[in-house]
Amino acid sequence: GNSVTQMEGPVTLSEEAFLTINCTYTATGYPSLFWYVQYPGEGLQLLLKATKADDKGSNKGFEATYRKETTSFHLEKGSVQVSDSAVYFCALKGDTGRRALTFGSGTRLQVQP
Amino acid sequence: GAGVSQTPSNKVTEKGKYVELRCDPISGHTALYWYRQSLGQGPEFLIYFQGTGAADDSGLPNDRFFAVRPEGSVSTLKIQRTERGDSAVYLCASSLGSGSDETQYFGPGTRLLVL
Repeated sequence: GNSVTQMEGPVTLSEEAFLTINCTYTATGYPSLFWYVQYPGEGLQLLLKATKADDKGSNKGFEATYRKETTSFHLEKGSVQVSDSAVYFCALKGDTGRRALTFGSGTRLQVQP
Repeated sequence: GAGVSQTPSNKVTEKGKYVELRCDPISGHTALYWYRQSLGQGPEFLIYFQGTGAADDSGLPNDRFFAVRPEGSVSTLKIQRTERGDSAVYLCASSLGSGSDETQYFGPGTRLLVL
């Protein structure tokens, strides 16, 4: 079945540092890939997505590239801010017509001023 | 516009009791999803509705869990004979249900605690 593996947190960075959160997946075919973010006290929000190989999703300074050859979708940001502190979830939707999302276990990011 | 709303935001119950959790999707969204999120984990899929019918209920853990969406809008997740292991945050999401954009928009969740 489908699965998503994320690096364990928490990830603690200073403001303006470079961020990478690793995500790899297992799925047949060509799934769609997502990053969701959960800010403290709020619900899950879609951060970015990519629906085919080599696509790059981007939003709010975050980027992730769909790498079919390494089955990865790593999240990056060049300069993090305190307001980026949140839990980040990588997820996939298979290409079999099934609509369910499969999530990773989440990575908590703490950005210190 | 209004997002996905869920009520109650918190529910405390005793083992063996019956609970109902409600979800109001975004207006016009025909697809509705229920997920369950345990502490420190990502959401796990429970059931998906397209319109009034359950198109995929493969994630329901056992027959104590049931969900309905009688008019194709509001949905209720029902849990019978609750167990302590049912304690989790129950998330609802909705999407347009057609076309190429199947982005799922999540509600704030209902935190269920079974004592």
